[in-house]
This record gives sequence, structure tokens and C-alpha cells, in this order.
Amino acid sequence: GAVVSQHPSWVICKSGTSVKIECRSLDFQATTMFWYRQFPKQSLMLMATSNEGSKATYEQGVEKDKFLINHASLTLSTLTVTSAHPEDSSFYICSAREGRYNEQFFGPGTRLTVL
Amino acid sequence: TQLLEQSPQFLSIQEGENLTVYCNSSSVFSSLQWYRQEPGEGPVLLVTVVTGGEVKKLKRLTFQFGDARKDSSLHITAAQPGDTGLYLCAGARVAGGGADGLTFGKGTHLIIQP
Repeated sequence: GAVVSQHPSWVICKSGTSVKIECRSLDFQATTMFWYRQFPKQSLMLMATSNEGSKATYEQGVEKDKFLINHASLTLSTLTVTSAHPEDSSFYICSAREGRYNEQFFGPGTRLTVL
Repeated sequence: TQLLEQSPQFLSIQEGENLTVYCNSSSVFSSLQWYRQEPGEGPVLLVTVVTGGEVKKLKRLTFQFGDARKDSSLHITAAQPGDTGLYLCAGARVAGGGADGLTFGKGTHLIIQP
């Protein structure tokens, strides 16, 4: 299957700082990538759809000014958590779509801890 | 909003037993995918079902898509400790060319005890 990487794997930051997470499709081009958030013992919640060369589409309740998404190339999307607070601590996972049936391939996730 | 109800949420059984996980919705999905996720990692795609009534087998795992494409099941035969993990079903909201993300069920936490 298609391979998606994320960087960093984990990050610890102070409250008020910004954190950037990268999502790369390694062996295919992805015009569309997705960002999910997952709390412990819970399922994935879609935050936004990242579209190459255009603005991201955010799900209801997700602040676009807080979670900045940039999809500047066909293999890279970034999520920047601005002015992070402890409640932003979570497991962030990206995915890229490939194939006819909307199959998504996920990155390994990024554990964000805001102190 | 299309919702996927997944059951059971938690299941702990002995090695060698059989189990079935269900994924139900009132909405029709163009395709449905099953993922398995281990702690601290991203979900790994197991299978995609597309056609109503479709049955796919992956070793000891059998996946079925309902005739109306609203529900799906995952059956594991002779479960092994290596099957332990979080199983997620996810429905595709738009067929083919859409840019929407997947709608995920809440997941089934499966523990297989040796």
C-alpha cells in the first residue's frame, strides 16, 4: 500500500507556542490529504481536508485560525497548531487518499503535549 | 450527518475463540473500509468493500458489506493475541472523485488473552 510519513513523531511544547506537523506521501502524489485528531480510547475525528494549491476545508467546530493547514505540493501538507494550549494536547494523524474507492492511507501520527 | 455505529466498543476474549464486530448506519456509503490501529500508531487499512453483499477474506478475518451498503461486519475466527488492537470501520461519504474525509465508527477495542 501507499506510504505516508509524519514528522515529528512526538513533540512537547510550552503553552502559547506554535507547532508545525508535516505529512508526506512518500511513493505517490496526493492532491488531497486529511488531518484527524484522536483522544485516548476514542476514534478518529476529521479536522480538515487539505487540498493542494487551495484552501483547506475545515469541519464544523474546528478553528481555522488555530489549526493552519498548508498543502503547497503534491506530497506535503502541514498542520500548524498556533498558540497551543494544554487542551490541544492530542494525537494528530494525517492521511492521503489514493485509489478509486477513496481509500486512505494513514501516517504514523504525532503525539502533541502542551505543557 | 452520516453516522456509523460500531459494536461492541470493548471486547476481551480468550485465544482461539471467534468474534464478530458490527458497523451499522442509516446511510448508504459508496464504500466502507476496515482499519486496525495499535497504540501510538496510525490506522492500517485491512480491506475495502464496495459492492452490496460483498464478502472478502483476509486469512482468519472475514469482512462482509450489507446488501444495502449501510452496514458491515468483521468476523475473526480462532482469534490470536496478535489480533489485539483497535478496529475501526470507516465509510466513504462521496463516491470516487470527492474530497471528503472518511466517517469513522467509534471503534472496537479488542483484547485477545493468551
